[in-house]
Amino acid sequence: AQSVTQPDIHITVSEGASLELRCNYSYGATPYLFWYVQSPGQGLQLLLKYFSGDTLVQGIKGFEAEFKRSQSSFNLRKPSVHWSDAAEYFCAVGPRTYNTDKLIFGTGTRLQVFP
Amino acid sequence: GAVVSQHPSRVICKSGTSVKIECRSLDFQATTMFWYRQFPKKSLMLMATSNEGSKATYEQGVEKDKFLINHASLTLSTLTVTSAHPEDSSFYICSAKSLAGGYEQYFGPGTRLTVT
Repeated sequence: AQSVTQPDIHITVSEGASLELRCNYSYGATPYLFWYVQSPGQGLQLLLKYFSGDTLVQGIKGFEAEFKRSQSSFNLRKPSVHWSDAAEYFCAVGPRTYNTDKLIFGTGTRLQVFP
Repeated sequence: GAVVSQHPSRVICKSGTSVKIECRSLDFQATTMFWYRQFPKKSLMLMATSNEGSKATYEQGVEKDKFLINHASLTLSTLTVTSAHPEDSSFYICSAKSLAGGYEQYFGPGTRLTVT
């Protein structure tokens, strides 16, 4: 079955520290991959996406993610976290076919940032 | 660009009444709109997919008669929760795909529904 796993429910880091949020997926083929951020009571904002090409993708707000096919992973990273990065982060996958647009979301990782 | 709005942002209604939530693509035309439901501290669950001018496709386990979806134009989709009950209380988020193409979904800010 298709699924997305975010093993870390809650992560706490100090401001200025580096960050890595894990995402693993189970899919029949390499899907499209996304990371979204959600602030409390808000909708989702796309941080970055991977469709093809360079497996290290750059996103907004200084985030990057690396696609590793062998590990079925798409981990999100940021070298130096800011207090404003505190939010919920969702990894999502979508099929590479055009007969369906459905995204499958992970359960999310809540990031807390201490000053 | 690619802004999606939802109205209202918050709504409280009494049990047994119906409530309508609007989802609009403000600066693009949307071929497809999606409705998600998010429970507290949970992920997003796709409820249905709607294409302009056609019936919505509902996910397994979602009651069509309870969650009515209308995609009347390329910029507007509505979700009506009929005969709402407290268990329908949730955060509802819509997203839209652009007619111009591309795979990306653009998300609205969500609507918090509380049924008393």
